[in-house]
Amino acid sequence: GDSVTQMEGPVTLSEEAFLTINCTYTATGYPSLFWYVQYPGEGLQLLLKATKADDKGSNKGFEATYRKETTSFHLEKGSVQVSDSAVYFCALSSSGSARQLTFGSGTQLTVLP
Amino acid sequence: NAGVTQTPKFQVLKTGQSMTLQCAQDMNHNSMYWYRQDPGMGLRLIYYSASEGTTDKGEVPNGYNVSRLNKREFSLRLESAAPSQTSVYFCASSEGRGNLHGYTFGSGTRLTVV
Repeated sequence: GDSVTQMEGPVTLSEEAFLTINCTYTATGYPSLFWYVQYPGEGLQLLLKATKADDKGSNKGFEATYRKETTSFHLEKGSVQVSDSAVYFCALSSSGSARQLTFGSGTQLTVLP
Repeated sequence: NAGVTQTPKFQVLKTGQSMTLQCAQDMNHNSMYWYRQDPGMGLRLIYYSASEGTTDKGEVPNGYNVSRLNKREFSLRLESAAPSQTSVYFCASSEGRGNLHGYTFGSGTRLTVV
């Protein structure tokens, strides 16, 4: 079945550091890929998405490129801020009729001032 | 504000008690979902409803039942709560087939079973 593997956390960075969170997936067909962010005490919010190979999703300075050849969708940001501290989830959309999402285990990011 | 509303936000149950988690969305979405979130395990799908009138099991359905009351509402019921069901529960909705726009999530229900 479909699965998503994320780099284990927690990740702690200083403000303005470069961020990479690795995500690889296993799926049949051509899934859509997503990054979600969860701030403390809140639900998940869609951060960015990519629906086909070589697409680049971007939002709020974050980017991720859909790499079919390496089955990866790594999240990057050039300069993190304290406000980026959150849990980040990689997810893929299956080919089922309801297109339910399969999530990775999440990566906790803490940015220190 | 448009979105997904979950009630209650917090609940403590004794083992063996029953309860229903409520979820409603006002975005006219076709599909709705219930997930549970446990530390180190990400989100796991309990049940989903692809459209009004249909429901299907997800990855971890045991111990739960659902009802898609109408297009807006999708409830999750625990008939006899167990400590293993201590978790944070999230309801979500999406436009349905294609799911190119991702999900909209509620703010969650934190459930503790003692």
